[in-house]
Amino acid sequence: ETGVTQTPRHLVMGMTNKKSLKCEQHLGHNAMYWYKQSAKKPLELMFVYNFKEQTENNSVPSRFSPECPNSSHLFLHLHTLQPEDSALYLCASSQVAGGLGNNEQFFGPGTRLTVL
Amino acid sequence: AQKVTQAQTEISVVEKEDVTLDCVYETRDTTYYLFWYKQPPSGELVFLIRRNSFDEQNEISGRYSWNFQKSTSSFNFTITASQVVDSAVYFCALSEGRTSGTYKYIFGTGTRLKVLA
Repeated sequence: ETGVTQTPRHLVMGMTNKKSLKCEQHLGHNAMYWYKQSAKKPLELMFVYNFKEQTENNSVPSRFSPECPNSSHLFLHLHTLQPEDSALYLCASSQVAGGLGNNEQFFGPGTRLTVL
Repeated sequence: AQKVTQAQTEISVVEKEDVTLDCVYETRDTTYYLFWYKQPPSGELVFLIRRNSFDEQNEISGRYSWNFQKSTSSFNFTITASQVVDSAVYFCALSEGRTSGTYKYIFGTGTRLKVLA
């Protein structure tokens, strides 16, 4: 596989469920990102990982828990979500996230999450 | 504070027309980067161009061209002779460095472009 892949592509879950989103990049990048895209809202950066270390957490509620076991894989663990968390969750990767941020990001197709 | 404004929420044009997507940004940094991304119906954002703050030269790539003007803090994107396949949501983004060594990446709200056959 090439590029950035995300699974599952669609997920429906109840508020009491626990689920995980998976992202994998095959580009040799060392930075990975989670974004939330809601209708009529800007893309919201949630988390940034640089060389497996979390370098950014944009005041994301604790019901979202990221995990980055290595530079190629990124997970987003979900538990006790709310209906307003329904959105498209996008994963991206890039070369080194530090410094001047001059690197373009490569995005996966996203996971469409619906919380009932 | 840094901000990216894409005032055009949605634009509809007829195939072969030219269309310009506006992007206005705010930043206090002298060093920053600007990007355009395309999000087709499939969902994944596709990188189109990067421009750093020291390079105001306009760029053309096929039917796409970009006009960067620091004096007006704008980075506009023009599609010449639009095609139905250009239909997508287009995002402008800004990144700037921080003293911590990380950077902040801000996206605009996007402009939905519909090209009608």
